[in-house]
Amino acid sequence: AQKVTQAQTEISVVEKEDVTLDCVYETRDTTYYLFWYKQPPSGELVFLIRRNSFDEQNEISGRYSWNFQKSTSSFNFTITASQVVDSAVYFCALSDTVGKLIFGQGTELSVKP
Amino acid sequence: DGGITQSPKYLFRKEGQNVTLSCEQNLNHDAMYWYRQDPGQGLRLIYYSQIVNDFQKGDIAEGYSVSREKKESFPLTVTSAQKNPTAFYLCATTPLPGLSTGELFFGEGSRLTVL
Repeated sequence: AQKVTQAQTEISVVEKEDVTLDCVYETRDTTYYLFWYKQPPSGELVFLIRRNSFDEQNEISGRYSWNFQKSTSSFNFTITASQVVDSAVYFCALSDTVGKLIFGQGTELSVKP
Repeated sequence: DGGITQSPKYLFRKEGQNVTLSCEQNLNHDAMYWYRQDPGQGLRLIYYSQIVNDFQKGDIAEGYSVSREKKESFPLTVTSAQKNPTAFYLCATTPLPGLSTGELFFGEGSRLTVL
C-alpha cells in the first residue's frame, strides 16, 4: 500500500533559522510523483514542487530546497533563513498511477519573530 | 478570475440532515477531487471524477455522494449516514487525469460543523 509519513507534527523556529521538514514515502510503483504543498491559515493549499521518480536531482528555489533520495524513500524540504510568512502547515504527497494524491499528516511550522 | 470556487465557506448542520457543498471551476480542467481534512490526519480522498458523468470512490466514500453533470461542477453531498462529518472539505482539480502534467489546484475549502 502507498503511504506518506511526516513524522514531525509541529516545528517551532525563530526567524532566520534554517528548518527541514521530513517526508518518507512507501510505494511499489516504479513511476510516481512527489509533491509538497503549503497550507496557510486561509486554508487553500498552494503547490510548491513536483518531482518525478526518475529525477533525483536536488532542487533549489530561492530559500526553498528539496532533497530527494530514492534509496531512503525520502523527499525532505528545507527552508533557509525562515521568515514569519513561512508559518503554515506543509504537506508532502505521493501520486498513484490514476492521479490520486496520498497526503502525509502535515507538519505545522511556526516561525516566531 | 480563473479558479476554483467552493461554497459555502462555513456551514452548520444538525445531525440527521444532508448538506451539499459546491465546487465550481472555470479552469477547464477535466479531473476534479474532493478531500476531507481532519487535524493530525492530513487529507483523505472522498471521491474523484476524471470526466463528465463518471466518478469513482476514494478512500473514505461512505456517507458521501457526488455528481458530475457538467465539466465545471462537482458537488459533494454529506449524507446523514456519515458518522462524523465535522471537517474541512477541499475541492481540487487538475488539467488531465493522472497528474502527469502537473499538480492539483485547490479551492479555499468549506468548513462543516455538525451541531
